[in-house]
Amino acid sequence: DIQMTQSPSSLSASVGDRVTITCQASQDISNYLNWYQQKPGKAPKLLIYDASNLETGVPSRFSGSGSGTDFTFTISSLQPEDIATYYCQQYDNLPMYTFGQGTKLEIK
Amino acid sequence: QVQLQESGPGLVKPSQTLSLTCTVSGGSISSGGYYWSWIRQHPGKGLEWIGYIYYSGSTYYNPSLKSRVTISVDTSKNQFSLKLSSVTAADTAVYYCARALGGRPRAFDYWGQGTLVTVSS
Repeated sequence: DIQMTQSPSSLSASVGDRVTITCQASQDISNYLNWYQQKPGKAPKLLIYDASNLETGVPSRFSGSGSGTDFTFTISSLQPEDIATYYCQQYDNLPMYTFGQGTKLEIK
Repeated sequence: QVQLQESGPGLVKPSQTLSLTCTVSGGSISSGGYYWSWIRQHPGKGLEWIGYIYYSGSTYYNPSLKSRVTISVDTSKNQFSLKLSSVTAADTAVYYCARALGGRPRAFDYWGQGTLVTVSS
């Protein structure tokens, strides 16, 4: 099974900060990686697909990069509405889907 | 706009079977091209993919739950359902239904709001 390890597990940052979250796969997954945002009490929302592609309607301050085993999710300028937990999800070994354990983002 | 809505009992007794239904609106399950999935989230924890069904009825389940899971589809009602047998307290979670794209990227683009199922006597 492919394991996905996110870091950090939690993060506190100030409005306007650049925020970076990483996701490491236990084996090469090419760019078969998606990122989701989950606000408290809500369902996850797709933000980034195939490692670096912004889903339609998602603000451009969100971005993703990486391939192989190491991936990065970035918020260029943190906004108060970005408070959420962020998850990576791989789909290299279909039909199984695996999520990372999540990164909880808080405002400092 | 596609919408998904979970329904079913919020409380299930240990050893019984958890049953949930997801009703899809704004799009037809029969049109194909998507994998209709169940995902759960234990309280305060991450996301666990349970399994999916295609409109044709083909299924795939997470091996960790495979022996207890059945997912079925009713295209006439535009619904798909989850049954999880022999539940324990460890199955207490928010259960989401979601649509996964059939081609690349294999992402979950639409989700239900989620329903909390508690396993307790």
